[in-house]
Amino acid sequence: AQKVTQAQTEISVVEKEDVTLDCVYETRDTTYYLFWYKQPPSGELVFLIRRNSFDEQNEISGRYSWNFQKSTSSFNFTITASQVVDSAVYFCALSEDSAGGTSYGKLTFGQGTILTVHP
Amino acid sequence: DADVTQTPRNRITKTGKRIMLECSQTKGHDRMYWYRQDPGLGLRLIYYSFDVKDINKGEISDGYSVSRQAQAKFSLSLESAIPNQTALYFCATADRGYNQPQHFGDGTRLSIL
Repeated sequence: AQKVTQAQTEISVVEKEDVTLDCVYETRDTTYYLFWYKQPPSGELVFLIRRNSFDEQNEISGRYSWNFQKSTSSFNFTITASQVVDSAVYFCALSEDSAGGTSYGKLTFGQGTILTVHP
Repeated sequence: DADVTQTPRNRITKTGKRIMLECSQTKGHDRMYWYRQDPGLGLRLIYYSFDVKDINKGEISDGYSVSRQAQAKFSLSLESAIPNQTALYFCATADRGYNQPQHFGDGTRLSIL
């Protein structure tokens, strides 16, 4: 069975600090996708990134960057120069392939990390 | 207007009542999902559907049922609500294709007394 662990329940930083959110996953499949979602205080879930298991290149988008390492089954998320608007709950999620190559795209979520950025 | 709309946004009800949460989407996506969110547990999948004729149980389907009335509508029912079903419920949609990102509604906060 697949599993996603976000060991950091809560993180508190001061504005302009860099912060890394950890995500470790377990899966038996060789083909899978990893996702990050943001849930701001308003409650909606916002898609941030999708990464497939064959693409280990790190990705940078503005102040956000993602480090995918298959060797350690990790997909960590770093926010550089954090801002108050980054305060949110961040979820890492995993979607596996299924037998025969048909994927329903079911997501297994981690527990979430609450990030608070203080001014 | 939101692409994925959930109604109601908030609901307080009593134990034993039948509750229906509705989800409609204008994204034209075939795939729809219902999740619940509990503090410290993340989101867990209740039911999912690939099209009108396709309904599947998720991780925690006991006590819930669903109806896919049309491609754009996917309803979640609690036949006889109990307090431990108090949670934040999300509907999500996804396009065809391999592991497309899911797009979520704003959620329904349900409290069962």
